[in-house]
Amino acid sequence: AQRVTQPEKLLSVFKGAPVELKCNYSYSGSPELFWYVQYSRQRLQLLLRHISRESIKGFTADLNKGETSFHLKKPFAQEEDSAMYYCALKAGGSNYKLTFGKGTLLTVNP
Amino acid sequence: NAGVTQTPKFQVLKTGQSMTLQCAQDMNHEYMSWYRQDPGMGLRLIHYSVGAGITDQGEVPNGYNVSRSTTEDFPLRLLSAAPSQTSVYFCASKTTGYNGYTFGSGTRLTVV
Repeated sequence: AQRVTQPEKLLSVFKGAPVELKCNYSYSGSPELFWYVQYSRQRLQLLLRHISRESIKGFTADLNKGETSFHLKKPFAQEEDSAMYYCALKAGGSNYKLTFGKGTLLTVNP
Repeated sequence: NAGVTQTPKFQVLKTGQSMTLQCAQDMNHEYMSWYRQDPGMGLRLIHYSVGAGITDQGEVPNGYNVSRSTTEDFPLRLLSAAPSQTSVYFCASKTTGYNGYTFGSGTRLTVV
């Protein structure tokens, strides 16, 4: 069974401070990991995929298979980063099911 | 491309009523799924489909039915609404390959 854990329900930082949203997963194979962001009462938007190793809106995330983690980081938080962030896992291969963590609500204070 | 379209955006039902939440995508995606989003619970998978005529249960399927007669449409039916089904429902679709899932804008359902 696959499981995603986001240990922090709430995270509050000041503008310009570094931010790290934690994500740990449990899966025996080779997973695909995603970060989704949901701004207030909007649809979920894809932020990052581990497979693409890209930086979006200043956010990065590295898959650490040894620690089974996929933490989301940004060196300097902005107020517009305030949102709900979900880490999600898709099993490898043709299994399309996406399993979400419970989410972390990030608040960036001025 | 409209992406993933969900209707209605808001709905209030009385306990015991039935209704269908609509989801349509115009991207020719093979995979479609329904999630419910509840505070503190994240998103939980209700049902999913890997192609027309093929559906399967997710994590929380009880009280919901789905069908997939076309690639484009994946309606979610509530058979007899209960207050526990008060939630925000999201439809998502995906095609093959290494890409993300596309989500609809959600349906906010209240059962009284």
